[in-house]
Amino acid sequence: GAVVSQHPSWVICKSGTSVKIECRSLDFQATTMFWYRQFPKQSLMLMATSNEGSKATYEQGVEKDKFLINHASLTLSTLTVTSAHPEDSSFYICSARADNRRVSGNTIYFGEGSWLTVV
Amino acid sequence: QKEVEQDPGPLSVPEGAIVSLNCTYSNSAFQYFMWYRQYSRKGPELLMYTYSSGNKEDGRFTAQVDKSSKYISLFIRDSQPSDSATYLCAPAGGATNKLIFGTGTLLAVQP
Repeated sequence: GAVVSQHPSWVICKSGTSVKIECRSLDFQATTMFWYRQFPKQSLMLMATSNEGSKATYEQGVEKDKFLINHASLTLSTLTVTSAHPEDSSFYICSARADNRRVSGNTIYFGEGSWLTVV
Repeated sequence: QKEVEQDPGPLSVPEGAIVSLNCTYSNSAFQYFMWYRQYSRKGPELLMYTYSSGNKEDGRFTAQVDKSSKYISLFIRDSQPSDSATYLCAPAGGATNKLIFGTGTLLAVQP
C-alpha cells in the first residue's frame, strides 16, 4: 500500500531555534499534503494544506510566519517551526492525498508523525 | 458549533463486549465518512470508510452513516484488548476537500 514517510520521528530542540520536519510520499505523487498538530489526549487539528508549487493554505489561528510550509516537489512537503518555544511541543503529523483524487477513505495516507519537544 | 463532535471518553469495556462509538457533524456536504484508529504515539491508520448513508461491515467492525441526522457510528463486536486505542471519526467532502477529525474516543478493552 501507499506509504508516507515522516522525518524525523522525534526531535528535541532548544527554545528559539528552528526545526524542519519532512513528509514524503514514497510510491505516489501528492500535489496536496496536509499538516496536523496533535496535543496529548487531543484530536488532530489541521494546521495547513500544502500545495505543490504554490503557497500553503493555513487554517484560522495558525501563524504562517511561524509554521513555514514548502512543497517543492510532488513527493515532498516540509514544515519548519521557526523560533520554536516550549508551547510548540507537540506531535506533528502529515498526510498526503494521492493525485487527482478527492479526499475520501482510500486516497489519504498518513505519516507516522514527528514528536517535537522544545526545551 | 464544531464541524465534528465526538465523545472523548474514555470508554472502558470488558473483553468480548460490543462497542459503539459515535460522531455527529454539521456540514451536510460531507459525503465520505472515515474512521481512523490511533495507537498511542503513532499516526492514525484508516479503519473503515463509507460513502453516503448506509452500513458497511468488515470483520468485527461495522460503520453506519445516517446523513439525515448527520450521525455516524462505528460498532466493534467481540472487542479485544488489542482494540484499545483512540478512534477518530473524520467526515470529508464538499467544497473544502480536506479531512476534519473529531476529538477521538479513547477505548480501553479490559482482558
